[in-house]
Amino acid sequence: AQRVTQPEKLLSVFKGAPVELKCNYSYSGSPELFWYVQYSRQRLQLLLRHISRESIKGFTADLNKGETSFHLKKPFAQEEDSAMYYCALRDGSGYSTLTFGKGTMLLVSP
Amino acid sequence: GAGVSQTPSNKVTEKGKYVELRCDPISGHTALYWYRQSLGQGPEFLIYFQGTGAADDSGLPNDRFFAVRPEGSVSTLKIQRTERGDSAVYLCASSLSGPRDNEQFFGPGTRLTVL
Repeated sequence: AQRVTQPEKLLSVFKGAPVELKCNYSYSGSPELFWYVQYSRQRLQLLLRHISRESIKGFTADLNKGETSFHLKKPFAQEEDSAMYYCALRDGSGYSTLTFGKGTMLLVSP
Repeated sequence: GAGVSQTPSNKVTEKGKYVELRCDPISGHTALYWYRQSLGQGPEFLIYFQGTGAADDSGLPNDRFFAVRPEGSVSTLKIQRTERGDSAVYLCASSLSGPRDNEQFFGPGTRLTVL
Protein backbone atom coordinates (compact mmCIF):
# COMPACT_ATOMS: atom_id res chain seq x y z
CA ALA A 1 0.00 0.00 0.00
CA GLN A 2 1.22 3.48 -0.72
CA ARG A 3 1.56 6.03 2.05
CA VAL A 4 2.65 9.65 2.33
CA THR A 5 3.92 11.07 5.61
CA GLN A 6 4.24 14.73 6.45
CA PRO A 7 5.65 14.76 9.97
CA GLU A 8 4.96 18.41 10.78
CA LYS A 9 1.44 19.74 11.24
CA LEU A 10 2.70 23.30 11.55
CA LEU A 11 5.87 25.06 10.49
CA SER A 12 6.32 28.65 11.61
CA VAL A 13 9.15 30.81 10.24
CA PHE A 14 10.03 34.46 9.85
CA LYS A 15 10.02 36.24 6.52
CA GLY A 16 13.32 35.73 4.73
CA ALA A 17 14.15 32.49 6.55
CA PRO A 18 14.69 29.23 4.65
CA VAL A 19 11.83 26.77 4.56
CA GLU A 20 11.81 23.00 4.27
CA LEU A 21 8.53 21.08 4.35
CA LYS A 22 9.20 17.40 4.82
CA CYS A 23 7.55 14.59 2.90
CA ASN A 24 8.38 10.90 3.07
CA TYR A 25 6.65 8.19 1.15
CA SER A 26 6.23 4.46 1.20
CA TYR A 27 5.75 2.76 -2.16
CA SER A 28 7.36 -0.27 -3.74
CA GLY A 29 7.07 0.81 -7.36
CA SER A 30 8.09 3.89 -9.31
CA PRO A 31 6.16 6.83 -7.90
CA GLU A 32 5.32 10.28 -9.14
CA LEU A 33 5.40 12.91 -6.41
CA PHE A 34 3.55 16.21 -6.22
CA TRP A 35 3.14 19.18 -3.92
CA TYR A 36 -0.29 20.81 -3.70
CA VAL A 37 -1.00 24.09 -1.94
CA GLN A 38 -4.17 25.59 -0.47
CA TYR A 39 -4.11 29.29 0.33
CA SER A 40 -6.66 30.74 2.72
CA ARG A 41 -10.17 30.61 1.26
CA GLN A 42 -8.89 29.19 -2.02
CA ARG A 43 -9.12 25.77 -3.57
CA LEU A 44 -6.44 23.13 -3.63
CA GLN A 45 -4.02 23.64 -6.51
CA LEU A 46 -0.95 21.96 -7.91
CA LEU A 47 2.31 23.64 -6.92
CA LEU A 48 4.85 21.38 -8.56
CA ARG A 49 5.55 17.81 -9.65
CA HIS A 50 8.87 16.03 -9.51
CA ILE A 51 8.96 15.07 -13.18
CA SER A 52 8.85 18.73 -14.21
CA ARG A 53 11.99 19.59 -12.27
CA GLU A 54 10.97 23.22 -12.18
CA SER A 55 10.89 25.96 -9.58
CA ILE A 56 7.49 27.45 -8.86
CA LYS A 57 7.19 30.63 -6.76
CA GLY A 58 10.76 29.97 -5.63
CA PHE A 59 9.94 26.48 -4.35
CA THR A 60 11.83 23.37 -5.43
CA ALA A 61 11.56 19.72 -4.50
CA ASP A 62 13.88 16.86 -5.33
CA LEU A 63 12.83 13.24 -5.33
CA ASN A 64 15.30 11.20 -3.29
CA LYS A 65 14.53 7.55 -3.95
CA GLY A 66 17.17 6.34 -1.53
CA GLU A 67 15.60 8.21 1.37
CA THR A 68 12.07 7.97 -0.11
CA SER A 69 11.66 11.69 0.39
CA PHE A 70 10.34 14.64 -1.57
CA HIS A 71 10.96 17.65 0.65
CA LEU A 72 9.78 21.09 -0.46
CA LYS A 73 12.29 23.90 -0.09
CA LYS A 74 12.49 27.63 -0.49
CA PRO A 75 15.57 29.68 0.42
CA PHE A 76 13.74 32.83 1.53
CA ALA A 77 10.15 32.57 2.75
CA GLN A 78 7.62 35.31 1.98
CA GLU A 79 4.47 36.16 3.92
CA GLU A 80 2.36 35.18 0.91
CA ASP A 81 3.73 31.63 1.16
CA SER A 82 1.58 31.09 4.24
CA ALA A 83 -0.75 28.23 3.30
CA MET A 84 -1.49 24.54 3.76
CA TYR A 85 0.85 22.29 1.80
CA TYR A 86 0.06 18.71 0.85
CA CYS A 87 2.46 16.15 -0.54
CA ALA A 88 0.89 13.56 -2.84
CA LEU A 89 1.95 10.37 -4.59
CA ARG A 90 0.77 8.57 -7.69
CA ASP A 91 1.85 5.25 -9.16
CA GLY A 92 4.14 6.18 -12.04
CA SER A 93 3.94 2.86 -13.82
CA GLY A 94 0.29 3.00 -14.68
CA TYR A 95 -2.78 5.01 -14.02
CA SER A 96 -3.84 5.64 -10.47
CA THR A 97 -5.21 8.45 -8.44
CA LEU A 98 -3.48 10.55 -5.83
CA THR A 99 -2.61 9.57 -2.27
CA PHE A 100 -2.18 12.64 -0.07
CA GLY A 101 -0.34 13.29 3.16
CA LYS A 102 -2.06 15.00 6.08
CA GLY A 103 -0.59 18.37 5.19
CA THR A 104 1.66 20.95 6.81
CA MET A 105 0.51 24.47 7.63
CA LEU A 106 3.25 26.99 6.83
CA LEU A 107 3.02 30.30 8.66
CA VAL A 108 5.42 33.05 7.62
CA SER A 109 5.57 35.96 10.05
CA PRO A 110 6.82 39.45 9.19
CA GLY B 1 -12.80 29.91 -18.10
CA ALA B 2 -14.83 28.55 -15.25
CA GLY B 3 -13.19 26.07 -12.94
CA VAL B 4 -14.70 23.08 -11.22
CA SER B 5 -17.82 24.05 -9.31
CA GLN B 6 -19.55 22.19 -6.48
CA THR B 7 -22.96 22.64 -4.93
CA PRO B 8 -24.00 23.16 -2.27
CA SER B 9 -21.03 24.78 -0.59
CA ASN B 10 -22.38 23.71 2.79
CA LYS B 11 -24.84 21.00 3.71
CA VAL B 12 -26.15 20.28 7.18
CA THR B 13 -28.24 17.16 7.64
CA GLU B 14 -29.41 14.83 10.36
CA LYS B 15 -28.14 11.36 10.98
CA GLY B 16 -29.97 8.83 8.84
CA LYS B 17 -30.89 11.25 6.06
CA TYR B 18 -29.96 11.00 2.39
CA VAL B 19 -27.79 13.65 0.71
CA GLU B 20 -26.64 14.45 -2.80
CA LEU B 21 -23.57 16.48 -3.62
CA ARG B 22 -23.07 17.87 -7.10
CA CYS B 23 -19.93 18.50 -9.13
CA ASP B 24 -19.60 20.41 -12.41
CA PRO B 25 -16.22 19.69 -14.00
CA ILE B 26 -14.28 21.93 -16.33
CA SER B 27 -15.83 21.78 -19.79
CA GLY B 28 -14.12 19.17 -21.94
CA HIS B 29 -12.58 17.27 -19.04
CA THR B 30 -13.37 13.59 -19.40
CA ALA B 31 -11.99 12.48 -16.04
CA LEU B 32 -13.68 13.31 -12.75
CA TYR B 33 -12.65 12.44 -9.21
CA TRP B 34 -14.24 12.59 -5.78
CA TYR B 35 -12.19 12.92 -2.61
CA ARG B 36 -13.17 13.25 1.03
CA GLN B 37 -11.21 15.39 3.45
CA SER B 38 -11.85 14.88 7.13
CA LEU B 39 -10.67 17.39 9.73
CA GLY B 40 -6.91 17.38 10.05
CA GLN B 41 -6.43 14.96 7.18
CA GLY B 42 -5.41 15.20 3.57
CA PRO B 43 -7.87 14.45 0.76
CA GLU B 44 -8.74 10.77 0.52
CA PHE B 45 -9.69 9.25 -2.83
CA LEU B 46 -13.24 7.94 -3.21
CA ILE B 47 -14.02 7.31 -6.90
CA TYR B 48 -12.77 8.17 -10.38
CA PHE B 49 -14.86 8.46 -13.55
CA GLN B 50 -13.62 8.27 -17.10
CA GLY B 51 -16.53 9.52 -19.16
CA THR B 52 -19.74 8.02 -17.84
CA GLY B 53 -18.25 4.97 -16.19
CA ALA B 54 -16.61 4.55 -12.82
CA ALA B 55 -13.06 3.44 -13.67
CA ASP B 56 -12.07 3.03 -10.03
CA ASP B 57 -14.43 3.05 -7.05
CA SER B 58 -12.06 1.37 -4.63
CA GLY B 59 -12.09 4.34 -2.27
CA LEU B 60 -15.80 4.31 -1.49
CA PRO B 61 -15.95 3.38 2.20
CA ASN B 62 -19.13 1.27 2.08
CA ASP B 63 -22.31 0.70 0.11
CA ARG B 64 -23.98 3.80 1.55
CA PHE B 65 -21.85 5.81 -0.85
CA PHE B 66 -22.63 5.90 -4.55
CA ALA B 67 -21.76 8.24 -7.41
CA VAL B 68 -23.05 8.72 -10.92
CA ARG B 69 -22.06 10.64 -14.02
CA PRO B 70 -24.80 9.74 -16.50
CA GLU B 71 -23.83 12.06 -19.35
CA GLY B 72 -20.10 12.21 -18.80
CA SER B 73 -20.16 15.72 -17.39
CA VAL B 74 -21.90 16.57 -14.11
CA SER B 75 -21.48 14.04 -11.32
CA THR B 76 -23.51 13.46 -8.17
CA LEU B 77 -22.17 11.82 -5.04
CA LYS B 78 -24.97 10.19 -3.08
CA ILE B 79 -24.80 9.20 0.57
CA GLN B 80 -27.57 7.13 2.13
CA ARG B 81 -28.35 6.85 5.83
CA THR B 82 -25.76 9.44 6.74
CA GLU B 83 -23.69 8.97 9.88
CA ARG B 84 -21.85 11.54 12.00
CA GLY B 85 -18.59 10.08 10.75
CA ASP B 86 -19.50 11.15 7.21
CA SER B 87 -18.97 14.78 8.21
CA ALA B 88 -16.15 16.11 6.05
CA VAL B 89 -15.35 18.31 3.09
CA TYR B 90 -16.10 16.48 -0.15
CA LEU B 91 -13.83 17.58 -2.97
CA CYS B 92 -14.34 17.08 -6.66
CA ALA B 93 -11.59 17.36 -9.26
CA SER B 94 -11.43 16.98 -13.02
CA SER B 95 -8.66 16.46 -15.55
CA LEU B 96 -8.41 16.55 -19.32
CA SER B 97 -8.30 12.79 -19.57
CA GLY B 98 -7.12 10.08 -17.18
CA PRO B 99 -4.96 10.66 -14.11
CA ARG B 100 -1.72 9.76 -15.82
CA ASP B 101 0.19 12.83 -16.99
CA ASN B 102 -2.79 15.12 -16.44
CA GLU B 103 -3.19 17.74 -13.76
CA GLN B 104 -6.25 17.47 -11.57
CA PHE B 105 -8.12 20.73 -10.99
CA PHE B 106 -10.04 20.89 -7.74
CA GLY B 107 -13.34 22.46 -6.86
CA PRO B 108 -13.99 24.47 -3.70
CA GLY B 109 -15.58 21.51 -1.92
CA THR B 110 -18.86 20.83 -0.15
CA ARG B 111 -18.71 20.88 3.63
CA LEU B 112 -21.07 18.18 4.91
CA THR B 113 -22.11 18.23 8.55
CA VAL B 114 -24.15 15.34 9.92
CA LEU B 115 -25.79 16.15 13.25
